[in-house]
Amino acid sequence: DAGVTQSPTHLIKTRGQHVTLRCSPISGHKSVSWYQQVLGQGPQFIFQYYEKEERGRGNFPDRFSARQFPNYSSELNVNALLLGDSALYLCASSLAGTDFSPLHFGNGTRLTVT
Amino acid sequence: AQRVTQPEKLLSVFKGAPVELKCNYSYSGSPELFWYVQYSRQRLQLLLRHISRESIKGFTADLNKGETSFHLKKPFAQEEDSAMYYCALFNQAGTALIFGKGTTLSVSS
Repeated sequence: DAGVTQSPTHLIKTRGQHVTLRCSPISGHKSVSWYQQVLGQGPQFIFQYYEKEERGRGNFPDRFSARQFPNYSSELNVNALLLGDSALYLCASSLAGTDFSPLHFGNGTRLTVT
Repeated sequence: AQRVTQPEKLLSVFKGAPVELKCNYSYSGSPELFWYVQYSRQRLQLLLRHISRESIKGFTADLNKGETSFHLKKPFAQEEDSAMYYCALFNQAGTALIFGKGTTLSVSS
């Protein structure tokens, strides 16, 4: 059983550029969430999507956006990259959107902004 | 405000010693609490959920609503327990996990 898969694993971008991160949930999971983890901190919530609709949004600027596709995979987009966006971006999937079911995390995408 | 506090950044113990990783929370109502663990070079994975009251890999955690705590305990630490441990709770809407900053557990022989 494949877990949550994320691509790419590593990414280096320049300030001002745009980035797209991708995530495929566990088969049967309909909810996908995105988290940002900077060094020394716990993951911070960015977005949650369920059935292609945004169900929750964390305290992140409008430069961050996401979407979920009919096959439940998801993309996280970040525009006008800043040095402070350098972090590990985690995707997590769960069975449903608001049933408090545990999240299953991918390995993450390490984004470095120079 | 909903918040999770893990007061210890690092906890170092010897193999066979008891372990207690502290977690305190701030939440209005009945929280849904979890412990996640991240072993070296592995993904973040669920260790315990308070509602299931299971013992996983010898770890247990009891919700103490009076002290707003959800400490993780193991009577005899093993070297393979060395990892980063995160305490987390769901927000009121059930849409987001709020994580603590994590505690690194180091078990040496």
